[in-house]
Amino acid sequence: AQSVAQPEDQVNVAEGNPLTVKCTYSVSGNPYLFWYVQYPNRGLQFLLKYITGDNLVKGSYGFEAEFNKSQTSFHLKKPSALVSDSALYFCAARRGRAGANNLFFGTGTRLTVIP
Amino acid sequence: DGGITQSPKYLFRKEGQNVTLSCEQNLNHDAMYWYRQDPGQGLRLIYYSQIVNDFQKGDIAEGYSVSREKKESFPLTVTSAQKNPTAFYLCASTTGTGLTNEKLFFGSGTQLSVL
Repeated sequence: AQSVAQPEDQVNVAEGNPLTVKCTYSVSGNPYLFWYVQYPNRGLQFLLKYITGDNLVKGSYGFEAEFNKSQTSFHLKKPSALVSDSALYFCAARRGRAGANNLFFGTGTRLTVIP
Repeated sequence: DGGITQSPKYLFRKEGQNVTLSCEQNLNHDAMYWYRQDPGQGLRLIYYSQIVNDFQKGDIAEGYSVSREKKESFPLTVTSAQKNPTAFYLCASTTGTGLTNEKLFFGSGTQLSVL
């Protein structure tokens, strides 16, 4: 069965420090991996995706993520956190060549950046 | 600006009542999706449509119905058969029929509560 796990419900980080939001996946075959961010009472906004190629993917707002096939992980990172990064972050995965209706979402990680 | 518009932002349902959530997009996307978001859970797929006049059940379709009479519109009806309708509902769309690796675009959501 396909699934996505975000092991941390809450991550707190001081402004200016690096941040990491963890994600592991279970997908048969080659995965398509995504990160989305949700601000209060808003829809999700796309941050970045991994389809193939370089394991380090760069996305919006200075975020990046590293695909690690052996650890089946796709952790989201940013070198220096901003207070405005505080939001709910969702990791999502699906099997390559499967339709978007097969996209599985993690349960979300709430990031709080402390001034 | 292109995007997805969901209305209303807040909706209240009385017991035994059917209510309809609106979703309109001007992105010329073929594929549209309805998700339900509950606190502490990932997004769960209710229904999806890859083309006009066709739609498919997602993982939690019971108690919901949809229609897709126009490319730009994909309304969701929460029927009286849905016994636990309180949730945040998100509409999304993507290019093609959803079989590409493209991201999902989300609306701002509708919060449905039971009176």
